[in-house]
Amino acid sequence: GENVEQHPSTLSVQEGDSAVIKCTYSDSASNYFPWYKQELGKGPQLIIDIRSNVGEKKDQRIAVTLNKTAKHFSLHITETQPEDSAVYFCAASPGGFKTIFGAGTRLFVKA
Amino acid sequence: SAVISQKPSRDICQRGTSLTIQCQVDSQVTMMFWYRQQPGQSLTLIATANQGSEATYESGFVIDKFPISRPNLTFSTLTVSNMSPEDSSIYLCSVDMSGNTEAFFGQGTRLTVV
Repeated sequence: GENVEQHPSTLSVQEGDSAVIKCTYSDSASNYFPWYKQELGKGPQLIIDIRSNVGEKKDQRIAVTLNKTAKHFSLHITETQPEDSAVYFCAASPGGFKTIFGAGTRLFVKA
Repeated sequence: SAVISQKPSRDICQRGTSLTIQCQVDSQVTMMFWYRQQPGQSLTLIATANQGSEATYESGFVIDKFPISRPNLTFSTLTVSNMSPEDSSIYLCSVDMSGNTEAFFGQGTRLTVV
């Protein structure tokens, strides 16, 4: 089955700096890669996603890249703000409604 | 998009008792999912609930411990039975609107078993 590894587990950056979170997956059949942000006491919220027919996608300060050959994908947050502080999860979906989540990255943005 | 309401948002329960968590969606959905998130951990799928059929459980989860109901296309319940402190977790309901696309989550139910 699919296995998703996520690094780092904790990331601390200064406000205004960039943050990068990396994930790898094992199942070459996976074709959908969402990223979720989870704030304290809330459920995960989708922030961006990418499909396997696209190499890069950007939405304002957030971008995701996908390398199908290497089976890895990354989340890039530019000009970080304190409100970006949260836990971020990558995920991979091999289809059939199943989504496998990474272990999560706790991002701290220091003002 | 979908708005998902979970009840209760949190509860403290005695060991040996059971708790039923409700999940209400503001639109009809085919698939509903129940996840467990242990403290500081990632999300683990418990089961997939289709309306009109038995839920499909993932490895390590059984119907006797986590019975699920799906009486219609907008509602589901998850029961955590015969609870022990190890069941202390956040339980999350999720829906997938059209298959292999964006999943929407409820705010979760924080369960503490004492």
